[in-house]
Amino acid sequence: DIVLTQSPALAVSLGQRATISCKTNQNVDYYGNSYMHWYQQKPGQQPKLLIYLASNLASGIPARFSGRGSGTDFTLTIDPVEADDTATYYCQQSRNLWTFGGGTKLELK
Amino acid sequence: EVQLVESGGGLVKPGSSLKLSCVASGFTFSSYGMHWIRQAPKKGLEWIALIYYDSSNKYYADSVKGRFTISRDNSKNTLYLEMNSLRSEDTAMYYCAKGVYYYSSWGQGVMVTVSS
Repeated sequence: DIVLTQSPALAVSLGQRATISCKTNQNVDYYGNSYMHWYQQKPGQQPKLLIYLASNLASGIPARFSGRGSGTDFTLTIDPVEADDTATYYCQQSRNLWTFGGGTKLELK
Repeated sequence: EVQLVESGGGLVKPGSSLKLSCVASGFTFSSYGMHWIRQAPKKGLEWIALIYYDSSNKYYADSVKGRFTISRDNSKNTLYLEMNSLRSEDTAMYYCAKGVYYYSSWGQGVMVTVSS
């Protein structure tokens, strides 16, 4: 199984940059694509797709969100952070079956 | 607008069965793979099953293999999850989600509680 590791929490100030990392124990690249995706989940709501295939912005998602990485190391960046961005962020791989990271809770300082 | 609406959850006793439904609208349901994903209270997300657009392939997480069955009826735009031999650790919010590699749309979820 591919295991995804995220830091449990991150605190940033309004207007600053937030960088959330996701590391996998196996390469999730395949034929030029990185099968890594990112979601935002607010309390009491279903998750929402932010980034797909490591760096592609999902429809309707503001350009403050960006993703990068390849192989086993990926990051989601939010710049600048707004108050509405407080949520839990999950990475998910689909290179070999489907698994999620444990989530990173983003809080404001 | 894509809509996914789950139903069928509730409180059941250990060892019992339950069948969840997810009605889809706003897209060509028969063209997309569909997943079930669950989230235990205050925990992270856990993928549990995928079915291809034409039901030709199904995949399950080890935690539910042999107990849960995913199916779909493309004529009714409906996805199902039949859950047998339920355990306390199956207690979770269950979401259906559209897509194969990533989940572009999610339902609002349905709660399943397994308790005596």
